[in-house]
This record gives sequence, C-alpha cells and structure tokens, in this order.
Amino acid sequence: DQQVKQNSPSLSVQEGRISILNCDYTNSMFDYFLWYKKYPAEGPTFLISISSIKDKNEDGRFTVFLNKSAKHLSLHIVPSQPGDSAVYFCAASGGSYIPTFGRGTSLIVHP
Amino acid sequence: NAGVTQTPKFQVLKTGQSMTLQCAQDMNHNSMYWYRQDPGMGLRLIYYSASEGTTDKGEVPNGYNVSRLNKREFSLRLESAAPSQTSVYFCASSAGGAGANYGYTFGSGTRLTVV
Repeated sequence: DQQVKQNSPSLSVQEGRISILNCDYTNSMFDYFLWYKKYPAEGPTFLISISSIKDKNEDGRFTVFLNKSAKHLSLHIVPSQPGDSAVYFCAASGGSYIPTFGRGTSLIVHP
Repeated sequence: NAGVTQTPKFQVLKTGQSMTLQCAQDMNHNSMYWYRQDPGMGLRLIYYSASEGTTDKGEVPNGYNVSRLNKREFSLRLESAAPSQTSVYFCASSAGGAGANYGYTFGSGTRLTVV
C-alpha cells in the first residue's frame, strides 16, 4: 500500500502560469517532506523541503505547503517556465522511516 | 565535485547472467541507497546502508545483494538477471542515518536491460 501518493501522473501548464503539484501521505509518523525534480536521463535532484513544524517553505519561484491535518502537501511553481518541465517526486520521512517516494508527476510547461 | 558516481551507465544482460553495479560518493556521507525506477512506479528502495558495515532490505530486495565496501562505496549485485529486473537503477547518499531528515544526492543512473 502506497504511503506517499501523487495521484496526478501528469500536468500541463502554460508558461507564466502557476503549476500546482499535489502529494498525499498516510503515515502520521512522517515529519519531513521533500520534493525532487528529475530530467530525462539524469538522477533526481533535491528541490525543496519542509518540516512538519512549518506549514510553508519558500525558495524563489518554488513554495511547498503542508497541511498536516489533511496529510497533504503541495508544490507551487510561480511563474512556470519551460525549463521546469520534468518529473517531480514527493518524498516523506521521519523517525526510523527511510524516505518513501511517490510515483511522480510529469510536468509539461508549454511556451 | 563528483557527488555520486555510478558505473556503468548502460548495460544489456542475458537472462541468467550476473553483474555488479558500482556506486561511489565523495561527500563523506554516512548512508547510501539503491533504488530502481520503473514507469508508473516511481522510485522503489532495493537496499540501503545506514552506515559503514550495515545493510538492510528495502521494499524490493528479491534478486539482489549489496555490499558496503567502505564508507565511499556501495555496490549492487544481480546474481542471476531476469527480465523483470530491466529498470533504471539509482544510487543515492545522505549525510544522516536511516530516517534522518537529510536530503539525498542521487547518481545519474544505470539503465539495465535484461533480454
């Protein structure tokens, strides 16, 4: 059973608009959440993270929001750029748990 | 600054053949991991090593073995390759131990095809 779910396999957005990628988790022991970005033929790279003591973390165009009561987090990219086109993985960790990854969302930003 | 280096980048095996995927990191990280990525399945953990001298099974360990040779190197061995092991394999490392809240650094992957 998936503990970290990314229910949208793909997302298509126009350049300049907002991209919102969603992630849900089931394990209440998770207390640290990360987003990774992956281009084809490359390894995933760390993008942004958030601790459960916060509900928002911002880094330039990227903001991650955490709703602990709903066990939901989202990644906002504003404004979206064609270079943001990639697969985005959500990951959750905490306690003795090895970080668990979602299945990824493929973002396509159209010029 | 190399980070995490994986070799080889590509490999084609025949069913039943064996091979070892190599991984080395130069960041003095304690923990190392092997993942496989399959279409629609995301990243699934095969084995991990929380520190030098220890290894543990992940979500999909069957058909694989690992060796933490030293702090830098963590290898993944397929003793008798099967078509179901066709995948892209990623090695990763992190500064903390298992479960610690540290981000991972990933290698660029090994694309393995078993025919």
